[in-house]
Amino acid sequence: NAGVTQTPKFRVLKTGQSMTLLCAQDMNHEYMYWYRQDPGMGLRLIHYSVGEGTTAKGEVPDGYNVSRLKKQNFLLGLESAAPSQTSVYFCASSWGTAQYFGPGTRLTVT
Amino acid sequence: GESVGLHLPTLSVQEGDNSIINCAYSNSASDYFIWYKQESGKGPQFIIDIRSNMDKRQGQRVTVLLNKTVKHLSLQIAATQPGDSAVYFCAENKNSGYALNFGKGTSLLVTP
Repeated sequence: NAGVTQTPKFRVLKTGQSMTLLCAQDMNHEYMYWYRQDPGMGLRLIHYSVGEGTTAKGEVPDGYNVSRLKKQNFLLGLESAAPSQTSVYFCASSWGTAQYFGPGTRLTVT
Repeated sequence: GESVGLHLPTLSVQEGDNSIINCAYSNSASDYFIWYKQESGKGPQFIIDIRSNMDKRQGQRVTVLLNKTVKHLSLQIAATQPGDSAVYFCAENKNSGYALNFGKGTSLLVTP
């Protein structure tokens, strides 16, 4: 099992550009999550999904959109990147409350 | 608002000693707590969890203690090793579904 994988690992964007981060899990987990982590901070929940075709807002959803078209994939989109979105993005999945994390995507917006 | 916080931002211990990392929480309705370990450049790794109907839970070299009276959670690592050097996060489940609320983390440094 690969667990939770994320692509890409690194990305640099210019302000106003768009991109999609891909998260995939092979554990047949029902729930998936997107977090961002800023220096010296814990993780903050952006959006999450409790099943295929469903998504919900987390703590910091502004500027992001998500889609869960397939159970194993959870996409995070930035329509118009801003420097404030420079961060490390982590995807996680779970059956219940214990969440399992991917390796992260480091995004820099200049 | 309610939050999860850690008592110390950094902790330095000697190899072989026991480590204790503390966490305070304020949401008395939280019923589930998790400890994660995050090594540099990696995602958080699940260590151990505990439900609010328990006071103590043990794993391999790790023990989590929960004191609901004072809303305090601790992670004890026995015989700390250099590979234990990392940032440790406690997290609690929020009232809504399975979303977790993370603390800011404690950096554990193990010295030889």
